[in-house]
Amino acid sequence: KAGVTQTPRYLIKTRGQQVTLSCSPISGHRSVSWYQQTPGQGLQFLFEYFSETQRNKGNFPGRFSGRQFSNSRSEMNVSTLELGDSALYLCASSLGVNQPQHFGDGTRLSIL
Amino acid sequence: QQQVKQSPQSLIVQKGGISIINCAYENTAFDYFPWYQQFPGKGPALLIAIRPDVSEKKEGRFTISFNKSAKQFSLHIMDSQPGDSATYFCAASKRGGADGLTFGKGTHLIIQP
Repeated sequence: KAGVTQTPRYLIKTRGQQVTLSCSPISGHRSVSWYQQTPGQGLQFLFEYFSETQRNKGNFPGRFSGRQFSNSRSEMNVSTLELGDSALYLCASSLGVNQPQHFGDGTRLSIL
Repeated sequence: QQQVKQSPQSLIVQKGGISIINCAYENTAFDYFPWYQQFPGKGPALLIAIRPDVSEKKEGRFTISFNKSAKQFSLHIMDSQPGDSATYFCAASKRGGADGLTFGKGTHLIIQP
């Protein structure tokens, strides 16, 4: 069974631009969560989608948004990029509520 | 406010020894406690998880010990091997998954041959 697939693996953007990251969950998984990983703040929860609906949201500004499609694939968008948005963005999928979350290898976003 | 505190920050263990990583939580609404292992350039991989209705869970060389009254849980890696060298994260989540997984800051484990 294929794992969680995130694309692209690496991205370089400049301040003020926007970016879209993609996540394909494990087949059969309907819940997709996004996390930001930085050396200073560690792993922080961004949001979770289940059946195309955002179910939970972490403490991030509105510049961070996401969506989920009918095939459970998910995208995350960050607008008006700031230097502090440089991070590894991780996607995790699970069967549902309080089920084990399995992570992809992330997208490394660098802001110049 | 750091809701899950993890220690130590780094740990060096001899091959064949026992690696012990500790976590403490504050929020009594947490009811699911997984441990993840992360290698450089990779995403976190789920190792083992526990719920508060049991005090210990073992899977191979990995054991979670859970103390509900003390709000602490720990990971024990028996017969540690160089291939276990990685960063380990404890995490916790609430019933219903609100706020997602709350992670500790991680422990960088080095197993010396």
